[in-house]
Parts: sequence; structure tokens; C-alpha cells
Amino acid sequence: QQKVQQSPESLIVPEGAMTSLNCTFSDSASQYFAWYRQHSGKAPKALMSIFSNGEKEEGRFTIHLNKASLHFSLHIRDSQPSDSALYLCAVSMTNTGYQNFYFGKGTSLTVIP
Amino acid sequence: GGIITQTPKFLIGQEGQKLTLKCQQNFNHDTMYWYRQDSGKGLRLIYYSITENDLQKGDLSEGYDASREKKSSFSLTVTSAQKNEMAVFLCASRTGTGGDYEQYFGPGTRLTVL
Repeated sequence: QQKVQQSPESLIVPEGAMTSLNCTFSDSASQYFAWYRQHSGKAPKALMSIFSNGEKEEGRFTIHLNKASLHFSLHIRDSQPSDSALYLCAVSMTNTGYQNFYFGKGTSLTVIP
Repeated sequence: GGIITQTPKFLIGQEGQKLTLKCQQNFNHDTMYWYRQDSGKGLRLIYYSITENDLQKGDLSEGYDASREKKSSFSLTVTSAQKNEMAVFLCASRTGTGGDYEQYFGPGTRLTVL
């Protein structure tokens, strides 16, 4: 049974700071890793995803994956008040054809102007 | 682009009542999902369907039924509403092929049980 855990549970940072969010998973057969962002009262929306070990950067956002450590992370450079949201990590595996996703409980981020 | 529509937006029921939530998507996606989100927390998978008339149970399927009679629609039934399952129910869809596994979510149905 896949277990996905996020840390920290909540985070408050000043505008302009670098923010780091963490996600650990339990099943080493996991192959697809993603971050979703959910603003208050809104639907979750995909931010970034990665398959292979290493880093992937898109604008202010970087995703880092280390499969051996069963860990991936999201880094937000120059955090903005509009980044305040619930961040959810998600993991999927090839044995389900990437159809079944496991989500973490989320990290609530507040960026203070 | 496309859109996912969930109805109703708010659903109020009595304890023990059978309640149905509906989801429609016009992305022409193969796979559809139902998740439950409790009070600003993470998502737990209730059911998913990879094609019309297919149903796969998630970890939270007990107490729920689902139906996928058309590619574009996916319904979820709460078989006997309980007070401890007040939550937001989110529907999502994604394409089944091409390596793009991004899920697109609807706005949710907020369930209140009296």
C-alpha cells in the first residue's frame, strides 16, 4: 500500500523568499511524480511533474526527484503572495498504467507581503 | 481547452439518505476520477474509470457506488450518508495515452449531512 507524506504541514514565508516543500513515498516502483496547487475554494491544478531522477525547472518552480531516497521536492524561487495555497504531491506507478494516483495531505503555504 | 462540470455545487442530505453527485467533462478524456477532500486536506481516491462502463475501486470506496455510462460522464452515489463524511467531492479526468498524466479537476461538490 503506497504511503505519501508531505512536510511541513504548513509554512509561512516572506515575499521574495525561497520555499521548499517535501514529499516522501513508500513504494519504490513509483515512476511518476507531480505537484498540484490548490488555491482556497478552488480546484487543484497541476504545476509540474517528473519521471526521471534529477531536476526540472519551469519559471520560478523547480522539482527535484531522488528515487533512491523515495523523496521529491518542490522549490519556489522569489515566492509571491499569489503562491499562497495548498500544495499537494502525487505519485503514480507503472503497474496501474499510471491510472491510480496517491496524493499527500498537503502543505499549506502562506506568503506574507 | 475543456471544462469539468460538477452538479450540484452544494448538496445537503439527511443521515442515512442515498445521494448522487454528477460529473461531466468535454475534454474527451478516457479516465475519470472521484476524490474526497476533507477540510482542506489531501485527496483520497474513491473510484476511477478508464473507459465507459469500467469501474475501479480506490482506497475509500466503501459506502460509495459509481457509474460510467458514457465517456463524458461519471456519477458517484453515497449509499447511506453519514455525518462524518461531510467533505468536498472532486471529480477529475485525464487522457489515457501519450504520456500526459495530468489530471484536470472540477470545482467540487460540497456535501453536508444533517
